Amino acid sequence: DSGVTQTPKHLITATGQRVTLRCSPRSGDLSVYWYQQSLDQGLQFLIQYYNGEERAKGNILERFSAQQFPDLHSELNLSSLELGDSALYFCASSPMAGSGEQFFGPGTRLTVL
Amino acid sequence: AQTVTQSQPEMSVQEAETVTLSCTYDTSENNYYLFWYKQPPSRQMILVIRQEAYKQQNATENRFSVNFQKAAKSFSLKISDSQLGDTAMYFCAFKNYGGSQGNLIFGKGTKLSVKP
Repeated sequence: DSGVTQTPKHLITATGQRVTLRCSPRSGDLSVYWYQQSLDQGLQFLIQYYNGEERAKGNILERFSAQQFPDLHSELNLSSLELGDSALYFCASSPMAGSGEQFFGPGTRLTVL
Repeated sequence: AQTVTQSQPEMSVQEAETVTLSCTYDTSENNYYLFWYKQPPSRQMILVIRQEAYKQQNATENRFSVNFQKAAKSFSLKISDSQLGDTAMYFCAFKNYGGSQGNLIFGKGTKLSVKP
């Protein structure tokens, strides 16, 4: 158990819908990262937050957004969902913004029908 | 931009044998981190081993060790005394050192099967 929690574990929804994925980092970790894992794109970095502020953006679509709250949990919002958004979404956390390894949550499996 | 390449999509090894997974990367940075993550069928991403580029000594964690060749930009993972529980996808990952951004850049992965 990495100490990072993600909810829900599975999510099934329809095209055009909006969903919210939630992540709670390890106790004391200030930095949260979101990654998408799909069969064709592999593991791709989406976005990073550090202590409530956005620090870096990767291949994140405009239909996707995220935020980190004062209690350091983070939410990833996916809207106008398409079939191609079906993937495993991971949250990871680390103590600081640029140092050391990242600890991954169990992921949320999103299926868009 | 940094890239990570894993040239072996699939590998298999007999239980108790040794196997080496390959990884090469491309960067113009001098200081960085390299990692191997394991993803078993449960899909959990588990850190196996890490290496700081400024350290010449190769990292070792029990049955797992790396061969870090900085000049060649090569970072291979050796698994000794392979066990059935080692069956998983293995991802090599790169991360810049320091700064305010620290996302991981992953290779495509190597699927390792350990056979009894």
